[in-house]
Amino acid sequence: GAVVSQHPSRVICKSGTSVKIECRSLDFQATTMFWYRQFPKQSLMLMATSNEGSKATYEQGVEKDKFLINHASLTLSTLTVTSAHPEDSSFYICSAEGQSQETQYFGPGTRLLVL
Amino acid sequence: SQKIEQNSEALNIQEGKTATLTCNYTNYSPAYLQWYRQDPGRGPVFLLLIRENEKEKRKERLKVTFDTTLKQSLFHITASQPADSATYLCALDAGAGGFKTIFGAGTRLFVKA
Repeated sequence: GAVVSQHPSRVICKSGTSVKIECRSLDFQATTMFWYRQFPKQSLMLMATSNEGSKATYEQGVEKDKFLINHASLTLSTLTVTSAHPEDSSFYICSAEGQSQETQYFGPGTRLLVL
Repeated sequence: SQKIEQNSEALNIQEGKTATLTCNYTNYSPAYLQWYRQDPGRGPVFLLLIRENEKEKRKERLKVTFDTTLKQSLFHITASQPADSATYLCALDAGAGGFKTIFGAGTRLFVKA
């Protein structure tokens, strides 16, 4: 149980285009999902907290107009990187909060490369 | 300032030995601390959670200790195997009634056959 999927697993896009990443909880409902960004050999950096049916809460320094988050259902959250630039290239990982609210179940991550 | 520190140098050990990883934190008062495993190019996988009132927790070959006085957690893998090779992340709740989890940068473990 507690499986989280992400799609796509890898994406290469041209600078200026937008990319959408999906995060799904496959066998449980997740009121809260989180989006992280991870650079090589660095820790996971929380970008935003996504709550079903309400606006996402963004961390300081994260541009909400650039990283659009939608959590339309209890099993799906999406992150759209708008007008992507090479510096947006990174590993994006989502997680879904478990029932206890203490544990997170992570997706496999999406590797984004912006050329 | 608030910090979570894990040894950035990789830990190399021989198969069958016990691996011990350290997580130190500063200026946090977590109600619990967690350990995750992360393989290259993959998302983290939850391993263990230990609460502030627990000194030690075990799960199969894994053991975690939590010393709130030292502000430190130790993560042990006994009878280590090459399949245990991965990066291990510690994480703690940011406290103050919120549910935000803060992650350390992780320690890479290599277990040699």
